[in-house]
Amino acid sequence: NAGVTQTPKFQVLKTGQSMTLQCAQDMNHEYMSWYRQDPGMGLRLIHYSVGAGITDQGEVPNGYNVSRSTTEDFPLRLLSAAPSQTSVYFCASRRGSSYEQYFGPGTRLTVT
Amino acid sequence: GESVGLHLPTLSVQEGDNSIINCAYSNSASDYFIWYKQESGKGPQFIIDIRSNMDKRQGQRVTVLLNKTVKHLSLQIAATQPGDSAVYFCAEKGAGKSTFGDGTTLTVKP
Repeated sequence: NAGVTQTPKFQVLKTGQSMTLQCAQDMNHEYMSWYRQDPGMGLRLIHYSVGAGITDQGEVPNGYNVSRSTTEDFPLRLLSAAPSQTSVYFCASRRGSSYEQYFGPGTRLTVT
Repeated sequence: GESVGLHLPTLSVQEGDNSIINCAYSNSASDYFIWYKQESGKGPQFIIDIRSNMDKRQGQRVTVLLNKTVKHLSLQIAATQPGDSAVYFCAEKGAGKSTFGDGTTLTVKP
């Protein structure tokens, strides 16, 4: 199994641009989540999904959209990038019966 | 609001010594705790977990202790090795979302 994969690894955007961060998992996990990691602030939940067709907001959802059309994929869309969205983004997945999350390698995003 | 915090942002130990990383939490309703290890440039990786009805859980070279009275948990790494150098953070799962601490950077000196 590849586990959780994320693309791209690095991305630089200009303010106002939009883009999609890709996340895929091949473990047939029901739950998928997006986090951002900033120095001194730990991991903060952006959006999550408990299954295909179901998404919900996390702690810091503003400026981001998600969709879950399949079990495997959970893309994160930045609608209009802002410098405050400069961060490292992690996608994670887990089985519904477990709290153990499997994280992807992350996407480092810089917004100038 | 709920919070999870580690006591020290950095910890430096000699190779072969034992390491202890501490974490405090505020949510009395937390029923599940996880320790993650994050190496540079990688995503967090599960190390060990413990449920609130337990005081201690052991894995391979790692032990997690939970003190619900003072809302404190610790991660003990026995015979620390250079490969243990990483950022370690705790997470708690209460009713609803999980909360993650900031992390302690462990450096192992040869």
